[in-house]
Formats: sequence, structure tokens, C-alpha cells
Amino acid sequence: AQSVTQLGSHVSVSEGALVLLRCNYSSSVPPYLFWYVQYPNQGLQLLLKYTSAATLVKGINGFEAEFKKSETSFHLTKPSAHMSDAAEYFCAVSEAGANNLFFGTGTRLTVIP
Amino acid sequence: GAVVSQHPSWVICKSGTSVKIECRSLDFQATTMFWYRQFPKQSLMLMATSNEGSKATYEQGVEKDKFLINHASLTLSTLTVTSAHPEDSSFYICSARDATGLASTQYFGPGTRLTVL
Repeated sequence: AQSVTQLGSHVSVSEGALVLLRCNYSSSVPPYLFWYVQYPNQGLQLLLKYTSAATLVKGINGFEAEFKKSETSFHLTKPSAHMSDAAEYFCAVSEAGANNLFFGTGTRLTVIP
Repeated sequence: GAVVSQHPSWVICKSGTSVKIECRSLDFQATTMFWYRQFPKQSLMLMATSNEGSKATYEQGVEKDKFLINHASLTLSTLTVTSAHPEDSSFYICSARDATGLASTQYFGPGTRLTVL
């Protein structure tokens, strides 16, 4: 069985500060891991994905995430927050080639000017 | 690339009527599409998996006779909410699976907000 836990339903950072959104996964097989962003009243946009290649994955908008097998984590980071980063972020896990995508409960990021 | 559209983006209907939502993959072929439901401030809940040319697979607790899914082509899947009631009001999001490349990634549509009066 696969699952995702996102610690912190709400994270607030100051503009220009480091963004760290936490994601831990559970999977009985090597996972594929994803981060999606959702702006109000919109669908989900893929930020980045891990597919068993390089453990440090770079995505769009300056975000990156590192796959740490020993910690079963895939935390999302960005060195300097922008106001436009304010949104809901979802971590998701699936098996290679599988249809199902299991989502975490989401983390709402607020950026304080 | 990998754009998914949904239509309509917003619909308001009377209780008892049926509403059809379309999901299209614009620049790739999607043998598999997914329908999700999202309640306010909550995560996405998978409702069903739609495979082109075959019957959809519904998740436990989702009424297949109420949420009719048709995947008639490699670029179009439709969700019809039959005899809608106020409790069906929600944000419905579809996604399409891009089966090419090393990882099967789902690309999401912009969502459809359904309000049933």
C-alpha cells in the first residue's frame, strides 16, 4: 500500500525566505514521487517528479525536491519565496507504470510581504 | 505540451437535472483518464479511472449509476452527474495520463465547479 503524509497543513514564510514543504511517503516498492501546485479555483500543475533517476530533482518556478530513501522523504524547497508562490501544494506517490496516484492532504503556503 | 482542458469551468444547475463535464487532452493521446472530486480545503479524491473504449473503474463508495463516465476517444472523456443534488456540489478535476517516457505522469485539467441549487 502506498500513502503520503504532508506535515503542516499551513506554512507561512516571508517574501525572500526559504520555502520548505515536507512530504513523507510509504511504499512497498520503489516509488515515483510528484509535487503539484494548485492555485485558487484551478486544477493541479506539475512542479516536478522523481522517477528513480537523480535524487535531486529540479522543477519549474525555482522549486526542487530531494528523494531520500533512508528517510522516506521528498521535501520541496525553494531558496527565496515570491508572492506568486502562494498556493496549495500537493505531494503524490505512485508505483512505476501504475495508474493510481495517491495524494497527500496538501499544504497551503502563504507568503508574507 | 501536455495540456488538458475541461468544459465547462463553472456550472450551476437545479436539483434533479443532469450535468455533463468534458475532459480533453489537447496535444497528446490519453488511453487513461481520471476523475477526481475535491471538497473545499481538502485533497483530491479519486472517483474513477477511465480507459478508452472500455468501462470505467470506480473507486469504492462512488455510485457508477450517478456518475456516468464515457471515454469514447483517446482525447476525450466525459463525466455526467445524473439527477444532481446539492450534496453533489463540488470541484471536479480530470487528469490524463501521459504513458510515454520513463514515468507515467498525470496532467490535470483546470477543474469544473459544480453548484447544485
